[in-house]
Amino acid sequence: SQQGEEDPQALSIQEGENATMNCSYKTSINNLQWYRQNSGRGLVHLILIRSNEREKHSGRLRVTLDTSKKSSSLLITASRAADTASYFCATDANRDDKIIFGKGTRLHILP
Amino acid sequence: DSGVTQTPKHLITATGQRVTLRCSPRSGDLSVYWYQQSLDQGLQFLIQYYNGEERAKGNILERFSAQQFPDLHSELNLSSLELGDSALYFCASSVTPGQTGAFFGQGTRLTVV
Repeated sequence: SQQGEEDPQALSIQEGENATMNCSYKTSINNLQWYRQNSGRGLVHLILIRSNEREKHSGRLRVTLDTSKKSSSLLITASRAADTASYFCATDANRDDKIIFGKGTRLHILP
Repeated sequence: DSGVTQTPKHLITATGQRVTLRCSPRSGDLSVYWYQQSLDQGLQFLIQYYNGEERAKGNILERFSAQQFPDLHSELNLSSLELGDSALYFCASSVTPGQTGAFFGQGTRLTVV
């Protein structure tokens, strides 16, 4: 079963623009993670935000977490062609150590 | 390179057969996760091991089983294969469950014909 759900399912933007993806989840969590997957390849861990954190930055990535709304967002600034990929949020729930993934957002950066 | 090694990369087998997928975690990682990724189901959590013991179970079919060995490598066994088992199978490892992100292997693409 999916814990997280990303929105939108697909997103196309021009190179240089910012891309924002959202994730909603259902149960209380230890942390929330974002991953990137290039077509047919393994997932790459981007950033982890703990349940007691509200915002985190890593290079061009900015992640926010709102535990009251059970939601998170991933912002990629100044997008590049190489950012074209699927992006997944994943949650690590309080009650167990499963890392459960959403269905992902397919991001396409147009040249 | 994530440091997680999965073999084989590709596997084609017939319905009814049994296969074994192998995963070597990153050096020092005690936790191993297995996932199945198909187009219609997304990335499904199957099972997690920590230092040789089963830690969490997801939507793993009874025809599937896994184990983690003393050297921390893990194997996922799929038996009585069906066409619907065709998918990408990923292994991931992490140092400490709940504290760090997971590192994924490149996956095994299983095709059941």
